[in-house]
Amino acid sequence: DTGVSQDPRHKITKRGQNVTFRCDPISEHNRLYWYRQTLGQGPEFLTYFQNEAQLEKSRLLSDRFSAERPKGSFSTLEIQRTEQGDSAMYLCASSLSGEGRYEQYFGPGTRLTVT
Amino acid sequence: AQSVAQPEDQVNVAEGNPLTVKCTYSVSGNPYLFWYVQYPNRGLQFLLKYITGDNLVKGSYGFEAEFNKSQTSFHLKKPSALVSDSALYFCAVRAVTGRRALTFGSGTRLQVQP
Repeated sequence: DTGVSQDPRHKITKRGQNVTFRCDPISEHNRLYWYRQTLGQGPEFLTYFQNEAQLEKSRLLSDRFSAERPKGSFSTLEIQRTEQGDSAMYLCASSLSGEGRYEQYFGPGTRLTVT
Repeated sequence: AQSVAQPEDQVNVAEGNPLTVKCTYSVSGNPYLFWYVQYPNRGLQFLLKYITGDNLVKGSYGFEAEFNKSQTSFHLKKPSALVSDSALYFCAVRAVTGRRALTFGSGTRLQVQP
C-alpha cells in the first residue's frame, strides 16, 4: 500500500523563477488537497480537488499560484514569479469521499526555498 | 470562520507517565476533529478522529482523545508515554457542513524524557 508521494522533496530557486510540484495521491482516493506549512505553524489550506474539479481555493492562493489535476489522479502546483515569502513546506494530502471517510493522508512534502 | 487553539507550545512528560496534549476549537455547527503527529523530516501521520458517537475515541499507538462539546475541546491522551512518542502533534477541525479543508492548530511539541 503506497502512500501519498510528492516530487521533488526539496527545491531551491531564485526569486522570480517559476516552480512546479507534483503530488501522487493514494490510488483509490478521489479527493486531493494542497496545504502550505511554515516553520512553527500548522498547515494552512490552499486548494482542494474532487476528481479533476477544483472545488475550493483559499484566499492564500494568489494569482501566482495555480493547481491542476487533469485526469483526476496526480496533481501539480505551480508558483509563478516566486517570492521569498513563498518559502515553505508544501504538503499534499488525499482522502476518500463518503460517510465517515474524512481523514486526510499526507505526503512527505516539498520544501521550497526561494533565495 | 473556524479555528483551533493548542495552548501549549511544548509538553514535557516522563516516560511511563500519562500525557495530555490540549486542543480547543471553534467552528460553526458540529465539528469533525482530528489529531495528527509529525516526526522530523516526515509528513503528517493521522492518529485519530472524532466524527460522531462515543466521545472517547481511540487511535493509533495507544493514543485516545476525548471530545467535550460544552468545552469545545478535544484533548489527546495516552496512559503511559514512550520516548518514541516525542514529536510534534497537531489538532485539526472542519465543520460537518461546508468546507472540506482542515484548519490546524499551531502544534504542540511533546518531549518524553527517559
